[in-house]
Amino acid sequence: EVQLVQSGAEVKKPGESLTISCRASGYTFTNHWIAWVRQTPGNGLEWVAIVNPSDSVTVYSPSFEGRVRISADKSIATAFLHWSSLRAADTAMYYCARKGQFDYWGLGTLVTVSS
Amino acid sequence: DVVMTQSPLSLSVTLGQAASISCRSSQSLVYSDGNTYLNWFQQRPGQSPKRLIYEVSNRDSGVPDRFSGSGSGSEFSLKISRVEAEDVGVYYCSQGAHWPRTFGQGTKVEIK
Repeated sequence: EVQLVQSGAEVKKPGESLTISCRASGYTFTNHWIAWVRQTPGNGLEWVAIVNPSDSVTVYSPSFEGRVRISADKSIATAFLHWSSLRAADTAMYYCARKGQFDYWGLGTLVTVSS
Repeated sequence: DVVMTQSPLSLSVTLGQAASISCRSSQSLVYSDGNTYLNWFQQRPGQSPKRLIYEVSNRDSGVPDRFSGSGSGSEFSLKISRVEAEDVGVYYCSQGAHWPRTFGQGTKVEIK
């Protein structure tokens, strides 16, 4: 059974850094790209970025490029999304999803950025 | 970016009746391999999205056959033939043919 297990909710202050994770199981991790999708009440679902765990090739949405970094560690079948300096506007639910067609989703990681 | 436009944005349906959601893309979703990459997702209250339909009309494993997708080019629709209580939630279309991937605004389905 394909599972994407995400790290827990985070509460951070503006300017702090953060990395959230998505551990995959139930399939060969290096066979499928992993994406991150953001959900906010005002903007619905937005695709953030995607990584190929096999060779770490990445593609970013122009809306998020330069603001986040996506990566994957195939030795632990885990994908990551990293912010070096959070803003209040980063407050959202973040989902990882498999493939560019999003066939399986994690349960989400709620990120709250507040002073 | 490819803009995905759904209608209606909300739908109130009687149990057992049919419901239909439309999705229009600003560009053709036919990829160079000849496939059309239009997906439908269901998000029940408090849950993460779940893919129901891929490549316009293919149901994902375990999806009830009361859900069906149709369309071509840039006009698509999702139909629920007989709405059940568990179908309450928000439905999104999404295109998988172009970068960046984009989603429709979502259609909220409730029971009348």
